[in-house]
Amino acid sequence: DSGVTQTPKHLITATGQRVTLRCSPRSGDLSVYWYQQSLDQGLQFLIQYYNGEERAKGNILERFSAQQFPDLHSELNLSSLELGDSALYFCASSVGVGPNSPLHFGNGTRLTVT
Amino acid sequence: KNQVEQSPQSLIILEGKNCTLQCNYTVSPFSNLRWYKQDTGRGPVSLTIMTFSENTKSNGRYTATLDADTKQSSLHITASQLSDSASYICVVSALTRGSQGNLIFGKGTKLSVKP
Repeated sequence: DSGVTQTPKHLITATGQRVTLRCSPRSGDLSVYWYQQSLDQGLQFLIQYYNGEERAKGNILERFSAQQFPDLHSELNLSSLELGDSALYFCASSVGVGPNSPLHFGNGTRLTVT
Repeated sequence: KNQVEQSPQSLIILEGKNCTLQCNYTVSPFSNLRWYKQDTGRGPVSLTIMTFSENTKSNGRYTATLDADTKQSSLHITASQLSDSASYICVVSALTRGSQGNLIFGKGTKLSVKP
């Protein structure tokens, strides 16, 4: 068990809808990362937060947004959903932001857009 | 552009056999290289992490090597078990943050261990 909790585990919704994915980082970790993994693809970096502040942004669509709250949990909001947004969304956490910080992953939220 | 390439894309071996997975990278400036194991539908789990000065690191039946000169790494699995069936992901960390963040992920090698 990595200590990173993601909810819900599965989400099925229709095109055009909006969903929110939630992540609770490992106790003591200040940094949260969001990744997207489409079928048979590698993990694509979306965005990183550290102690409530955005630290890095990847190829995140404008329809997607995220935030990290004072209690350090994070939410990823996906709006105007398209079929191509169907994927596994992973959250990871680490203590710091440096390149040597070990990363701990949650078990993901599987989003299916119909 | 920072890239991580893994080979083979997929591999099938018999239980008890050994195998080696390859990772080539063009990431600069280099910080460290990590191997993760990802079971189907689960999050990746760290196996090893190696810095520039380390050329071998073991974790049970998993041994990773790193050649920083040729920018190559390998993951060797000894005496494979059915539970080794998973995707193995090579991740290279850069000292500076780009559009991919600090971590550049390979697409993984899907290993199937058959009885």
